[in-house]
Amino acid sequence: EAGVVQSPRYKIIEKKQPVAFWCNPISGHNTLYWYRQNLGQGPELLIRYENEEAVDDSQLPKDRFSAERLKGVDSTLKIQPAELGDSAVYLCASSLAVVLEGTDTQYFGPGTRLTVL
Amino acid sequence: KNQVEQSPQSLIILEGKNCTLQCNYTVSPFSNLRWYKQDTGRGPVSLTIMTFSENTKSNGRYTATLDADTKQSSLHITASQLSDSASYICVVSAGGAGGYQKVTFGTGTKLQVIP
Repeated sequence: EAGVVQSPRYKIIEKKQPVAFWCNPISGHNTLYWYRQNLGQGPELLIRYENEEAVDDSQLPKDRFSAERLKGVDSTLKIQPAELGDSAVYLCASSLAVVLEGTDTQYFGPGTRLTVL
Repeated sequence: KNQVEQSPQSLIILEGKNCTLQCNYTVSPFSNLRWYKQDTGRGPVSLTIMTFSENTKSNGRYTATLDADTKQSSLHITASQLSDSASYICVVSAGGAGGYQKVTFGTGTKLQVIP
């Protein structure tokens, strides 16, 4: 079974440029997460989707970040314009169910490493 | 505020030795605790998961313990191998059945196993 797929794996851009990341979750997983992970830190949730609905975007910097999951399957995360502080690894994860007696294990993709110059 | 603290920040051990990583949390209401392994350049992979009623869980050479009273967990690695070199992240979920569980990640312990 294929895992969570993300692309690109690496992206280098200049500040003020736009950038987009793509994620394809595990087939059948209706919950999708976007995280940002700074060097030496744990992942921080940006947004969580239940099917195509964004049910938790409280940590998403909405002035420059946007995300969509139009058909409830794959998703894109966009930054426009990018700032130096956005350099990080952007992880996508998916899970089968939000709550199943505490066993909603998240499966992570390899991440996209963004460098903003 | 929900918090998960891990110690040590980093650790270097010789191949074949055992080690124990610590996790303290202030998450309420507690639902479950997971340990993830994150290899360099990869996404985290779940090692173990424990709910409130479980106080130990093993996965091969990895054994996790949970003390819900003191809100502490440990991950013990037995007979370490070079492939154990990675970051180990403690993740605690808050919330009850029937609702969304808010997840808090620790900052991780970076383990390096040397020959």
